[in-house]
Amino acid sequence: EIVLTQSPGTLSLSPGERATLSCRASQSVSSSYLAWYQQKPGQAPRLLIYGASSRATGIPDRFSGSGSGTDFTLTISRLEPEDFAVYYCQQYGSSSWTFGQGTKVEIK
Amino acid sequence: EVQLVQSGAEVKKPGESLKISCKGSGYSFTSYWIGWVRQMPGKGLEWMGIIYPGDSDTRYSPSFQGQVTISADKSISTAYLQWSSLKASDTAMYYCARLGYGVVDVWGKGTTVTVSS
Repeated sequence: EIVLTQSPGTLSLSPGERATLSCRASQSVSSSYLAWYQQKPGQAPRLLIYGASSRATGIPDRFSGSGSGTDFTLTISRLEPEDFAVYYCQQYGSSSWTFGQGTKVEIK
Repeated sequence: EVQLVQSGAEVKKPGESLKISCKGSGYSFTSYWIGWVRQMPGKGLEWMGIIYPGDSDTRYSPSFQGQVTISADKSISTAYLQWSSLKASDTAMYYCARLGYGVVDVWGKGTTVTVSS
């Protein structure tokens, strides 16, 4: 089973700042099957990025994804107040699905 | 509108059985995998398993194999997650999720399960 490790565990930033979140896989992941989700308290997760770099419907362009192989990145170019949340990466491969443990983006 | 509507919150005692549901609407229910995801209080997301309602092909995450049963009734566009004997450690939020090309494009709102004596 592929293990996804996200870093940092918590990111303390101010609105307007840039956020860079990392997701590292224990073995190579197909870029086609790497996704990022946002979860706010009391809500279900929401798909942000699929295929490592494609934004889901309705996702603002301040969110971008990049990477390949074992290293992937989610970047939020300028944090808005509604972006403070927990972010998870997720992969699918060989009929198994795994999530990273999450990165919390909190207001500094 | 594509939706997954989950059954309501449950409060159970250890040892009891439980079956929660997830009804799909607004799309062809038999054409997409449905997954179940556990989120324990204050913790992250964990894949439990998935089912393809078209033919009931079911796959479990190793951590959940033998602990739960996933099923579906395509005639009523509903997937299920069931336990035969609940434990306190099953207390969590459970989400159903539609899988498109390996990623979740639609989430249910979740079902809270509380197991306490």
